Amino acid sequence: GEDVEQSLFLSVREGDSSVINCTYTDSSSTYLYWYKQEPGAGLQLLTYIFSNMDMKQDQRLTVLLNKKDKHLSLRIADTQTGDSAIYFCAESGPIYGQNFVFGPGTRLSVLP
Amino acid sequence: NAGVTQTPKFRILKIGQSMTLQCTQDMNHNYMYWYRQDPGMGLKLIYYSVGAGITDKGEVPNGYNVSRSTTEDFPLRLELAAPSQTSVYFCASSYGGAGETQYFGPGTRLLVL
Repeated sequence: GEDVEQSLFLSVREGDSSVINCTYTDSSSTYLYWYKQEPGAGLQLLTYIFSNMDMKQDQRLTVLLNKKDKHLSLRIADTQTGDSAIYFCAESGPIYGQNFVFGPGTRLSVLP
Repeated sequence: NAGVTQTPKFRILKIGQSMTLQCTQDMNHNYMYWYRQDPGMGLKLIYYSVGAGITDKGEVPNGYNVSRSTTEDFPLRLELAAPSQTSVYFCASSYGGAGETQYFGPGTRLLVL
């Protein structure tokens, strides 16, 4: 079945850039998402990219998609302590609920 | 707007007991979803609904039932609780489907002993 993989932990210093990586297996994925989960809270959609795009930028966030390698990354510029959270990569088909799969999450720790 | 609300926040069940997790949204969203999140894992979709009267299975529907009689409410029913259903359950809603922002509730932590 479909699978989404991420490294589980990442530590960066405040002010540095963070890059969180994700690989997926489903070549029919239409949407790829990045969610943020803060302790004790539900998930918050940060951004998503449509599968025919290579890059999407939204303020401090840059999403890069390499469809050939099925690799997705999230870059956070000027990482702040408030960015400490778990970041989930997810993918879906064109209709919600269709092949919707989350990765295990990457715990980002931002050190002062 | 209260957004997405879930009750209860925490519950302990014995094996074989039943319960209903409540979820309500006041944003007039068409789509609603139930997820479970096991420790150290991503979310898995249990059921979703694209509008009142319409529900469909997600990735892990076994052991659960849902109904959507109104736009606002999307309860999740566990009929015979099992230890494997120990998890945190999140309800979410969105105006549209794929690509739309989902708004999540605070979660219900369920422990089955």
